[in-house]
Amino acid sequence: DTGVSQNPRHKITKRGQNVTFRCDPISEHNRLYWYRQTLGQGPEFLTYFQNEAQLEKSRLLSDRFSAERPKGSFSTLEIQRTEQGDSAMYLCASSPGYRSSYEQYFGPGTRLTVT
Amino acid sequence: QKEVEQNSGPLSVPEGAIASLNCTYSDRGSQSFFWYRQYSGKSPELIMFIYSNGDKEDGRFTAQLNKASQYVSLLIRDSQPSDSATYLCAVIFAGNEKLTFGTGTRLTIIP
Repeated sequence: DTGVSQNPRHKITKRGQNVTFRCDPISEHNRLYWYRQTLGQGPEFLTYFQNEAQLEKSRLLSDRFSAERPKGSFSTLEIQRTEQGDSAMYLCASSPGYRSSYEQYFGPGTRLTVT
Repeated sequence: QKEVEQNSGPLSVPEGAIASLNCTYSDRGSQSFFWYRQYSGKSPELIMFIYSNGDKEDGRFTAQLNKASQYVSLLIRDSQPSDSATYLCAVIFAGNEKLTFGTGTRLTIIP
């Protein structure tokens, strides 16, 4: 049983560039979540999908952020025109998504540094 | 604003002793509670979840939930140096699907 995978693990980019991250959830998990974590803080929710439908987006998520989950499998998170404040660990989690099973399992994360 | 509160620590516990980590939350209607362990530079790892009042045990870990007091705790028995990490409390508030995290408690086990 493979866990959640994320690529790339590290990304260094210059301010103003676009970046895209990929997440592959645990197979048969219907729900996929994106979180962002900065140093000394707990992860903050960004958005989540039930299959291919994006059901909620955080008000923290500016228009520069977009996420997709085509075909309900892997997901991508794109940040356009990156800013230094976007530097963080971007975490993906997946969950079975059926009643009474709410546990979320995280991938290794993508650490973004914007210079 | 729905919140999860944890003592940031650091909490130092001698090897072999019981480590006790505490968490309070703001919404009495919450149903789902989680403890994650996070080593420095790594992602959170789910170690316990609890949905009903009372205690839930898994190996050296015990989660305790008191919904009336809006309080959830994690006990680690026979603490080992490998337990040194930040422990994150997370709650799924009623009407939500996302995890809301506390800021975490840094635990150090002293050999």
